[in-house]
Amino acid sequence: GAGVSQSPSNKVTEKGKDVELRCDPISGHTALYWYRQSLGQGLEFLIYFQGNSAPDKSGLPSDRFSAERTGGSVSTLTIQRTQQEDSAVYLCASSPGQGYGYTFGSGTRLTVV
Amino acid sequence: QKEVEQDPGPLSVPEGAIVSLNCTYSNSAFQYFMWYRQYSRKGPELLMYTYSSGNKEDGRFTAQVDKSSKYISLFIRDSQPSDSATYLCATPGRGSTLGRLYFGRGTQLTVWP
Repeated sequence: GAGVSQSPSNKVTEKGKDVELRCDPISGHTALYWYRQSLGQGLEFLIYFQGNSAPDKSGLPSDRFSAERTGGSVSTLTIQRTQQEDSAVYLCASSPGQGYGYTFGSGTRLTVV
Repeated sequence: QKEVEQDPGPLSVPEGAIVSLNCTYSNSAFQYFMWYRQYSRKGPELLMYTYSSGNKEDGRFTAQVDKSSKYISLFIRDSQPSDSATYLCATPGRGSTLGRLYFGRGTQLTVWP
């Protein structure tokens, strides 16, 4: 597609369950990013993939969070044993390379009840 | 100290007003600055970017960087109700954090008819 696609758009899960969030970047974009946006908190960096390089995972808040990017394209963010504080909008973005402006998807709104 | 600081507002102005949105940044080595616009329940979209100091104009929007005071601004002339959104300033990291963007918290703007 023409833009960054994220699924699902909304997810409600019970505390303690695992969730997977998916991101389809723009075709040909080598860089892919995950951010989290909580109410009134701005965008929090989570993880960054660039080509075949080792990802920058320094923003992941705990070891319950992990992400992978298969074949240099689709990415999945996994949150294990979800907690209520994980409730937020998870945004994925891609760019043609390092330092270029991002194109964001519309996000996945995660609610942990 | 956060890399980028932004007053979250909210800001409410009448149609036709000139709007001034502002951010400060902490690292004098930052050189690229971006403004993103985010409509409700959408991902941020790149509005403008600037390099180093000076002004950049695009239609009703002007982005300004003052490196001496580490201050960045976005001016909107003849504001329209369709400009109602959250505006986020951002700058790319340096060195080991190159590739990620540091965002301000965003300023929520409402332009009323």
